[in-house]
Amino acid sequence: KAGVTQTPRYLIKTRGQQVTLSCSPISGHRSVSWYQQTPGQGLQFLFEYFSETQRNKGNFPGRFSGRQFSNSRSEMNVSTLELGDSALYLCASSLQGREKLFFGSGTQLSVL
Amino acid sequence: SQQGEEDPQALSIQEGENATMNCSYKTSINNLQWYRQNSGRGLVHLILIRSNEREKHSGRLRVTLDTSKKSSSLLITASRAADTASYFCATDALTSGTYKYIFGTGTRLKVLA
Repeated sequence: KAGVTQTPRYLIKTRGQQVTLSCSPISGHRSVSWYQQTPGQGLQFLFEYFSETQRNKGNFPGRFSGRQFSNSRSEMNVSTLELGDSALYLCASSLQGREKLFFGSGTQLSVL
Repeated sequence: SQQGEEDPQALSIQEGENATMNCSYKTSINNLQWYRQNSGRGLVHLILIRSNEREKHSGRLRVTLDTSKKSSSLLITASRAADTASYFCATDALTSGTYKYIFGTGTRLKVLA
């Protein structure tokens, strides 16, 4: 069974640009959640999608958005990038969202 | 603020020794999980303990949960160099009618050969 796949692995952007990250969950998993990880803040919850609906959202500005497609694949978009958005973005999938999470390897975003 | 806080922030031990790390959380939970992260990679699930359980074992891992103190501990016995990683606890927090997993800040474990 293939694991959670995140693309791209690395990304370099400049301030003001926008970026889209992709996450393909394990087959059969309907819940996809996104986390931002920085050295100072640890893992911060961004949002969770379940069956194409956003089920929960963290405390991030509206520049951070996401969506989930009918095949459960999810995308996360960050508009008007700021230097502070530099981080490792992790997505995790699970069957229903209330049990163990399976993480992808993450997308390392650097904003210059 | 973080639901889970790990203690200590960093731990350095010799191979063969035991490593203990603690996690405190703030609200009622249904379950608590521990994850391991090797440098710059995704997290790997280690163990899940439900709120009605007090102790759970998996190989060299032993997890305890004290819901009255809102705390958990992870014990790694007979540590190996390969155990060098960051360890996080995660709790399912009920917010605005739905659940989400909140991660602690992690414990960085270094096992010296």
